[in-house]
Amino acid sequence: EPEVTQTPSHQVTQMGQEVILRCVPISNHLYFYWYRQILGQKVEFLVSFYNNEISEKSEIFDDQFSVERPDGSNFTLKIRSTKLEDSAMYFCASSSRDRETNIQYFGAGTRLSVL
Amino acid sequence: GQNIDQPTEMTATEGAIVQINCTYQTSGFNGLFWYQQHAGEAPTFLSYNVLDGLEEKGRFSSFLSRSKGYSYLLLKELQMKDSASYLCAVKTVGQNFIFGPGTRLSVLP
Repeated sequence: EPEVTQTPSHQVTQMGQEVILRCVPISNHLYFYWYRQILGQKVEFLVSFYNNEISEKSEIFDDQFSVERPDGSNFTLKIRSTKLEDSAMYFCASSSRDRETNIQYFGAGTRLSVL
Repeated sequence: GQNIDQPTEMTATEGAIVQINCTYQTSGFNGLFWYQQHAGEAPTFLSYNVLDGLEEKGRFSSFLSRSKGYSYLLLKELQMKDSASYLCAVKTVGQNFIFGPGTRLSVLP
């Protein structure tokens, strides 16, 4: 069964450093998303991406965040200068364009620890 | 403002039926979703409602009333493996999604 894959599973970084979280969405999907979940808290929407541009973004997705689809398979989230409060699980998701457009399939997540 | 409410925790017995409620107040509504999330894992899709009424999918059913801003997820014939968090999420405008805080369900033998 096709799945969304994320790498790395765990990323440890120093405050102020840049990190890139990588995702390979399901191959025929056209909508891509990033979410974060701080430990013990709810899943929070960050950004959605379609047709090589951002569709929607939340207030959390400020200038330190950026997304990119550098080739036909990868979808990345970059955090320019990490802060302690960026420590969270980051989930990538994708959905198709047909009737099931709204059903998002999530990757296993990348746990980001900022020290 | 945008707000989704769910009970924090629920407990039920194996084999029983449980109903998890969700109320929402959002600017825009384009569908309500239920996801299951086991501890330390990714959310997995369970059910989706965009029109009022009941959607049934095996042991899981979900109901929506748009006029009341209300949904519930019904789990029948509970199994131990159903112990997880259940997340209610609303698609607002475009491709923007808001998740509720989740309901942690414990299924006891």
